[in-house]
Amino acid sequence: QKEVEQNSGPLSVPEGAIASLNCTYSDRGSQSFFWYRQYSGKSPELIMSIYSNGDKEDGRFTAQLNKASQYVSLLIRDSQPSDSATYLCAVLPGYSTLTFGKGTMLLVSP
Amino acid sequence: GAVVSQHPSRVICKSGTSVKIECRSLDFQATTMFWYRQFPKQSLMLMATSNEGSKATYEQGVEKDKFLINHASLTLSTLTVTSAHPEDSSFYICSARETANTYEQYFGPGTRLTVT
Repeated sequence: QKEVEQNSGPLSVPEGAIASLNCTYSDRGSQSFFWYRQYSGKSPELIMSIYSNGDKEDGRFTAQLNKASQYVSLLIRDSQPSDSATYLCAVLPGYSTLTFGKGTMLLVSP
Repeated sequence: GAVVSQHPSRVICKSGTSVKIECRSLDFQATTMFWYRQFPKQSLMLMATSNEGSKATYEQGVEKDKFLINHASLTLSTLTVTSAHPEDSSFYICSARETANTYEQYFGPGTRLTVT
């Protein structure tokens, strides 16, 4: 059973702080990792993809991957109230279907 | 990022009727498209995977005769909910995978179906 685990939250951070979202996965054969943001009532939006161990930065977002520990994280710097959403971690084991975590709700307070 | 459109965005239909939802990848070719359903405050649930030109693969518990999926071209997939009932009311979201380079998967904006 392929699993992706996330803390459901909510994770509450003040505006301007760094939000750290974490995800673990069970399938060691996974090669591709994604973070999606989903606002309430909307569909998921892809914000980051990462394929190699280490960090990948895109604007205020940094994805971190550690395949040995089966761990992927997303850091959001200078968090804004507009970042308040549910963040979904998704893992692609080989060429198959994405396995999603249940998501972490992030609340950024002004 | 790549763009996936979905139509209609919202539909209300009477019980017993059928509804067709279209999903298009606008700026890339998608050999694989996916259909998800999401109930309020719940996780995404994969319904089926469709590959262009072949029959869809349905997830366990999803009735293939009720949820008809057609993927006739590299940019278009359709989901038809047949003989809809109130319990089919949900948020249906399609997704398309970009396979040329990255395997990134992009979601359409979703269709909110209400069956009365």
